[in-house]
Amino acid sequence: GENVEQHPSTLSVQEGDSAVIKCTYSDSASNYFPWYKQELGKRPQLIIDIRSNVGEKKDQRIAVTLNKTAKHFSLHITETQPEDSAVYFCAASKVSGGYNKLIFGAGTRLAVHP
Amino acid sequence: DAGVIQSPRHEVTEMGQEVTLRCKPISGHDYLFWYRQTMMRGLELLIYFNNNVPIDDSGMPEDRFSAKMPNASFSTLKIQPSEPRDSAVYFCASRDTNTGELFFGEGSRLTVL
Repeated sequence: GENVEQHPSTLSVQEGDSAVIKCTYSDSASNYFPWYKQELGKRPQLIIDIRSNVGEKKDQRIAVTLNKTAKHFSLHITETQPEDSAVYFCAASKVSGGYNKLIFGAGTRLAVHP
Repeated sequence: DAGVIQSPRHEVTEMGQEVTLRCKPISGHDYLFWYRQTMMRGLELLIYFNNNVPIDDSGMPEDRFSAKMPNASFSTLKIQPSEPRDSAVYFCASRDTNTGELFFGEGSRLTVL
């Protein structure tokens, strides 16, 4: 089955700096890679996702890149703000020809210091 | 839609007691998932359903755990008997058929003393 590894487990940056979180996956059949943000005491919520037919996707200060050959994908947050502080989870799944379960990485706790 | 609705939000019980967690998915969503979150193990998938049918329960830790989905608008996760190591936040999520996005409920925080 799918296995997702995520690094780093914690990340501390100054406000305005960039933050990068990296994930690797094991199942080459996976083709859907979402990122979820979980604020303290809240539920995980989708912030961006990418499918295997594209290599990069951007939404304002957030971007995700995917390297299918190497089986890794990354989240990039530019111009970080204190409200970006949260736990971020990457995930991987196959969503064509039948849907497989979404497997999450262990999470990255991001702290943005003013 | 009010989103995925879970109850109870908090449950404190004693070891050996039965615990039932409930979930109402978003109407029209075809998949329902139960996840467990702890500091040590992160977000673990316990079981998921497609059109009310259990598809994969390989994440259910023990026979003490069971889940049902009697209809498209309701699911339960039961732990009997409960143990202190079951203490965690249990999330239910349903999947948007068109986009694939998972929508999580607010979670049920379980404490077993």
